[in-house]
Amino acid sequence: EPEVTQTPSHQVTQMGQEVILRCVPISNHLYFYWYRQILGQKVEFLVSFYNNEISEKSEIFDDQFSVERPDGSNFTLKIRSTKLEDSAMYFCASGTAARYNSPLHFGNGTRLTVT
Amino acid sequence: KQEVTQIPAALSVPEGENLVLNCSFTDSAIYNLQWFRQDPGKGLTSLLLIQSSQREQTSGRLNASLDKSSGRSTLYIAASQPGDSATYLCAVSTGQGAQKLVFGQGTRLTINP
Repeated sequence: EPEVTQTPSHQVTQMGQEVILRCVPISNHLYFYWYRQILGQKVEFLVSFYNNEISEKSEIFDDQFSVERPDGSNFTLKIRSTKLEDSAMYFCASGTAARYNSPLHFGNGTRLTVT
Repeated sequence: KQEVTQIPAALSVPEGENLVLNCSFTDSAIYNLQWFRQDPGKGLTSLLLIQSSQREQTSGRLNASLDKSSGRSTLYIAASQPGDSATYLCAVSTGQGAQKLVFGQGTRLTINP
């Protein structure tokens, strides 16, 4: 069964550094998402992406965050200047054009540790 | 603002028992409700999706119900097995153009052999 893949599985970075988290969504999916889960807290929506543009973003997704689909297969999340509070598990997800009738498929996540 | 709550936070039962996990949400204007399973250090695996117009969905030993008007959903697991041990997350879809999911905090389920 097709799956969403994320790399790396764990990223350690120093405060103030830029990081790029990478995702390969399921090939025929059209909607792409980033969610995050701070340790011990709920999974939170960050951003949704459709037709090469952001369709919705949360209050968390400020100017330090950006997303890109540089080619037909990859979907990336960039954090320009990391803060300690950015430490979390970041999940990429993708969905079909059916949207509400079809579940989201999540990757295994990238654990980001900011020191 | 949509809030999703799951009760109980943790549940431990002996193998073979039937069990129910609860989920409640504050705003009934949802597009669907999804149940996920999360294993330690892993991603989220979709279990069931109930569209807003539906009342329940079944997959194998799992049955999920939805009462949108009262803001409640239940996940029923029949004949539990040790392999069912995981955290179960409930999420409602509120996005207008895409699936913006609002998650509950999860129920950590342990099935004892």
